[in-house]
Amino acid sequence: AQKVTQAQTEISVVEKEDVTLDCVYETRDTTYYLFWYKQPPSGELVFLIRRNSFDEQNEISGRYSWNFQKSTSSFNFTITASQVVDSAVYFCALSVHTGGFKTIFGAGTRLFVKA
Amino acid sequence: DTGVSQDPRHKITKRGQNVTFRCDPISEHNRLYWYRQTLGQGPEFLTYFQNEAQLEKSRLLSDRFSAERPKGSFSTLEIQRTEQGDSAMYLCASSRRTVENEKLFFGSGTQLSVL
Repeated sequence: AQKVTQAQTEISVVEKEDVTLDCVYETRDTTYYLFWYKQPPSGELVFLIRRNSFDEQNEISGRYSWNFQKSTSSFNFTITASQVVDSAVYFCALSVHTGGFKTIFGAGTRLFVKA
Repeated sequence: DTGVSQDPRHKITKRGQNVTFRCDPISEHNRLYWYRQTLGQGPEFLTYFQNEAQLEKSRLLSDRFSAERPKGSFSTLEIQRTEQGDSAMYLCASSRRTVENEKLFFGSGTQLSVL
């Protein structure tokens, strides 16, 4: 069975602080994909990043960076110099080959960035 | 892309009534997903289609739920004999499966309230 765990329910930071959102996944498949999605207060989920299980290279996109470690089954997301507009719920997600590549989501981490 | 469109945005119904939601995916997207999201939780997988074929239905989905995607275009999700526990946000997403695991594009959802 596949599972995504986001242990942090809520995080509150002050603007310009760095913040890391944790994601731990479970699967026995060797072929899988990991995702992060953002759900702003407006409600619509927006794709942020996708990684496949064969590519452990970390990625940086502006103030966002992602750290994928297969050894610990983690795919953590860091926001550098957070801004108020980063306030949202962030979901980590997983899709696996034997699951028909359907995407399952973690419970999400609500991030509050205070001015 | 015109985006994923869901109708209605809100639905209030009385317990025992039937409701139907519609989702129009992004054109040329051959995968269509339905998810359910309750407050404080991540999207919970319900079912998905590849073209007109329904590939999987979650075990969480009772027989009161049925989804269709005639002609592989728009999809409908019907809930019969609604119960208060059905109150949730119902999300539709689509993806283009030319390469496995294209990102999901989400609609704004249909908020169902069962009184």
